[in-house]
Amino acid sequence: AQSVSQHNHHVILSEAASLELGCNYSYGGTVNLFWYVQYPGQHLQLLLKYFSGDPLVKGIKGFEAEFIKSKFSFNLRKPSVQWSDTAEYFCAVMPSGGYQKVTFGTGTKLQVIP
Amino acid sequence: ETGVTQSPTHLIKTRGQQVTLRCSSQSGHNTVSWYQQALGQGPQFIFQYYREEENGRGNFPPRFSGLQFPNYSSELNVNALELDDSALYLCASSLSGLRGWENEAFFGQGTRLTVV
Repeated sequence: AQSVSQHNHHVILSEAASLELGCNYSYGGTVNLFWYVQYPGQHLQLLLKYFSGDPLVKGIKGFEAEFIKSKFSFNLRKPSVQWSDTAEYFCAVMPSGGYQKVTFGTGTKLQVIP
Repeated sequence: ETGVTQSPTHLIKTRGQQVTLRCSSQSGHNTVSWYQQALGQGPQFIFQYYREEENGRGNFPPRFSGLQFPNYSSELNVNALELDDSALYLCASSLSGLRGWENEAFFGQGTRLTVV
């Protein structure tokens, strides 16, 4: 069975600082990878996804993530965060070709200080 | 807004009771998945329905059951509620077809269930 680890549980940054959130997964086969964001009081929404091709994936709101297969990692990055990026971020993995069982990490709460 | 609506938004039940949660899929979507998100945790996959049949299940006991209707809306039923069932229950809908399951899932805002 697949699993996902997010090592940072709570991150506090000042506006304009750079962001990198770690995500590692465990699974023996081919996977699809996702980052979801949950703003306070709102539903989960997709930031970006990797299915195949270029391992550097660009998402909405200036976020990007790099899939490094040899390290089983899919870290999320943003060069300059804004106060509006304050939210909880979830990394998720889904085995390719199977039904849509998405396994989520425990999440990272990001607080951006103006 | 994702087009996925869940009802009710909040619910309080007593241990041992039964509960039904509802989800209306985004228009055109034929696949519904249900997740349980306990406080401080990521969502945990319960099961998925495709064309009215369960076609995948996570590590949840049989007292968690579901239905998908011809209009692709869905219900999650939980029998014999336990205190640990207190959580946010999320529904996600997607379109599955020739390309398989690899399409974006859109989440609803969830139902907050409290078992006392």
